[in-house]
Parts: sequence; structure tokens; C-alpha cells
Amino acid sequence: EVHLVESGGGLVQPGRSLRLSCAASGFTFDNYAMHWVRQAPGKGLEWVSGISWKSGNIDYGDSVKGRFIISRDNAKNSLYLQMNGLKIEDTALYFCAKPRTAAPGSLDAWGQGTLVIVSS
Amino acid sequence: DIQMTQSPSSLAASVGDRVSITCRASQTIGTYLNWYHLKPGKAPKLLIFTASDLETGVPTRFSGAGSGTTFTLTVSNLQPEDFGTYYCQQSSRTPYTFGQGTKVEI
Repeated sequence: EVHLVESGGGLVQPGRSLRLSCAASGFTFDNYAMHWVRQAPGKGLEWVSGISWKSGNIDYGDSVKGRFIISRDNAKNSLYLQMNGLKIEDTALYFCAKPRTAAPGSLDAWGQGTLVIVSS
Repeated sequence: DIQMTQSPSSLAASVGDRVSITCRASQTIGTYLNWYHLKPGKAPKLLIFTASDLETGVPTRFSGAGSGTTFTLTVSNLQPEDFGTYYCQQSSRTPYTFGQGTKVEI
């Protein structure tokens, strides 16, 4: 069974940094691209970033481009999101998600999320 | 970026009803359209991928249709567990944008 567990969330001041992690199990991690998606309180889902299986292709949503860095360690079955220059509007529940085989953007497995609160 | 617009924003329905949600893309996306169900405190669940393919384990009362810029999710014989918010998402090109959501109240 696919299992994704996010960690690293917490309360952080504006302008500071935070690193999220996602531990994956139950599937061949290095066969899949991986993604981060977030949901701000009372708001909808927002795709944050994605990384290909060998890290050759990386992309970001406009609201985090230049501030967030996605990475992965296939040897550790882990996905990361380095969040720099945090803003109040980055407050959200952050999910890591795995795409379906042969449907790269169709996210068929999600973690429970880790909460990031940016506040002074 | 591709903008996704859902309608309605919310709806109320009774158990046994048939409900439909529409999603429109700001440019053509072929059939690169997915539907998710989100309940409070739970992870999103993929219902439909590539516009009309039913995800494994999802009840057959859920169906999707459409291509190009206009798509529809239909839930027939609505059940109590179907309350929550439904999102469409385009996976034609990054950033993989979502619609704003449709809240379904039973």
C-alpha cells in the first residue's frame, strides 16, 4: 500500500525558512515524478511544485517561484520542499502527492499533510 | 497559466439525486483533466483522471465527460458520504492548476 508521510511543518516568522519532508513507501519511488500541493485555510487546492523521477525536470507555481526549492533523494525514498522567504500567504496545509502511472499530473496518492503557519 | 473555472461554487442536494459540476479551462487541454474529492481533515481523493477514466475503487455512480475546454463531473444516486468539495485540475501543462472548488452539501 502506498504511504506518504509529510513532516517539517510548524510556526515560522515571515521571511524565515522551513524545510518540509515527505517519506514515501509502498511503491518504487524513483519510478515516479512527485508533487507538492497546498491548501490555505478556507481556500482551494494550489499546485506548488513538481519534480521528475531523476530530478531533471522541475517546475513551480508562480506564487512560490524563486523562493521554494523542490528536491528528492531516491536512495532515501524522500521528497523535500525548501521554503525560503516565507510570506503570510504561504500559510497552508502542504501535501505531497504521487501521480498515477502513465498519467503524470493525475495525483492518485496523497499524504495527510503538514501544516505551515507563517506569522509574526 | 491555464485558468480553471468551476460552476456552481456550491450546491445542496438530497440523497439519491443526480448532480453535475462543470469545469472550464481558459485554453484547450485535450482530456488532461482530473477530478478530486476533498473532505475536511482528509487527503484529497482522485475520482476521475484524463476526463473520463474512473480511478480504481471509486464507485461507478461517479462519471466524467468532456474534452478541449469544457468538462463535467456527474454523481448519480448521491450518497451521504459524497458531501464535501470537488475540484477539477488540468494536467496538460505545468503549473497544474485547480478549479476553485464546488462544495456539495447533502
